[in-house]
Amino acid sequence: DGGITQSPKYLFRKEGQNVTLSCEQNLNHDAMYWYRQDPGQGLRLIYYSQIVNDFQKGDIAEGYSVSREKKESFPLTVTSAQKNPTAFYLCASSMGGGGSRSFFGPGTRLTVL
Amino acid sequence: GENVGLHLPTLSVQEGDNSIINCAYSNSASDYFIWYKQESGKGPQFIIDIRSNMDKRQGQRVTVLLNKTVKHLSLQIAATQPGDSAVYFCAENMSPGSTLTFGKGTMLLVSP
Repeated sequence: DGGITQSPKYLFRKEGQNVTLSCEQNLNHDAMYWYRQDPGQGLRLIYYSQIVNDFQKGDIAEGYSVSREKKESFPLTVTSAQKNPTAFYLCASSMGGGGSRSFFGPGTRLTVL
Repeated sequence: GENVGLHLPTLSVQEGDNSIINCAYSNSASDYFIWYKQESGKGPQFIIDIRSNMDKRQGQRVTVLLNKTVKHLSLQIAATQPGDSAVYFCAENMSPGSTLTFGKGTMLLVSP
């Protein structure tokens, strides 16, 4: 059963704590992406990776970090430097770059207490 | 679930009607366009895509129309069903090697 998974579905964090969101895909896709979604807004790109051991900042990378040590995994760390981290986080993957279909995971809802 | 519909443009239709969701894109050089459906609390699902060398593409109950002259993209859903209720996003690829840029979305509400 191929797909893209995210865990956990819901995550609570105290202010000042770092937290890592998991994203795994078994689609053999080269590219992976992290988006943030706030109510009433579209998806905003945080980071993306087009190949293992390489990644680029998106439009709103400040306060976030990523790694791409394996093709199938692209974890996102929300650091204490992110001033407003409460949001819905979506991971996606695609075979190629932006000119190809992206497949999304189910999302992680992060709430800062 | 996640309230992604807050403050979004909303289209309300009756079950069985045809729905048309519109999207204006920004870059005349964009070469790839895609529509996603997002239900509350879930990740976006692919609906249909189209490349700039086409002006129409059909899927099951859905049609995407591309008007490059006015930079306009539309999604037509035939015989809309209550299960079609969701937020619909368009996205464009502005240049080769770039990432998708998403619109803010339109909420579709289908009444039985």
